[in-house]
Amino acid sequence: RKEVEQDPGPFNVPEGATVAFNCTYSNSASQSFFWYRQDCRKEPKLLMSVYSSGNEDGRFTAQLNRASQYISLLIRDSKLSDSATYLCVVKRITGGGNKLTFGTGTQLKVEL
Amino acid sequence: NAGVTQTPKFQVLKTGQSMTLQCAQDMNHEYMSWYRQDPGMGLRLIHYSVGAGITDQGEVPNGYNVSRSTTEDFPLRLLSAAPSQTSVYFCASRPTGEGQPQHFGDGTRLSIL
Repeated sequence: RKEVEQDPGPFNVPEGATVAFNCTYSNSASQSFFWYRQDCRKEPKLLMSVYSSGNEDGRFTAQLNRASQYISLLIRDSKLSDSATYLCVVKRITGGGNKLTFGTGTQLKVEL
Repeated sequence: NAGVTQTPKFQVLKTGQSMTLQCAQDMNHEYMSWYRQDPGMGLRLIHYSVGAGITDQGEVPNGYNVSRSTTEDFPLRLLSAAPSQTSVYFCASRPTGEGQPQHFGDGTRLSIL
């Protein structure tokens, strides 16, 4: 089982729709969680950190469920410009220091 | 503020050639790392450094060397390029401390023929 798993998609949604992605992680010792956005042929960029109590940034809401070991990203009122791949990132402390594990990403396509 | 700068952006090599991918950051970040991104694999850590003079292996270190003589620079060397090293390479940096996210460079698209 992969340490971080995401549905690769693509999720094809109309403009204005609400879409949600989940990401599951296997190691219960994971401590920090992030969502990154990656546009085609570009570098990943931090979208938002995920806090235990859940957090919101404009149209984006991130939630963490430690009991079920997943994080989620909700995008409301989707825009064409939201089309990208969304990477789930999980960090935990190991004997060698912090270890970041990236999911393979979920592709979102927002259409007219 | 330039952030993380990678050069070159594109490179084609022949099998057996060596080269160095450059990475520099101007944010005074202690932690720097190199990843490769392949279809369906996600980003995989090649090597990382927690500070000048300190480097360590990541998940897929074979065929690559790194050094960290300064805080700013973290070059990645391919010793003898192989077709399996065809990939997109990203350098990243972040401050130390819990919950600090990575800042990525633009990436280097490397093809080995």
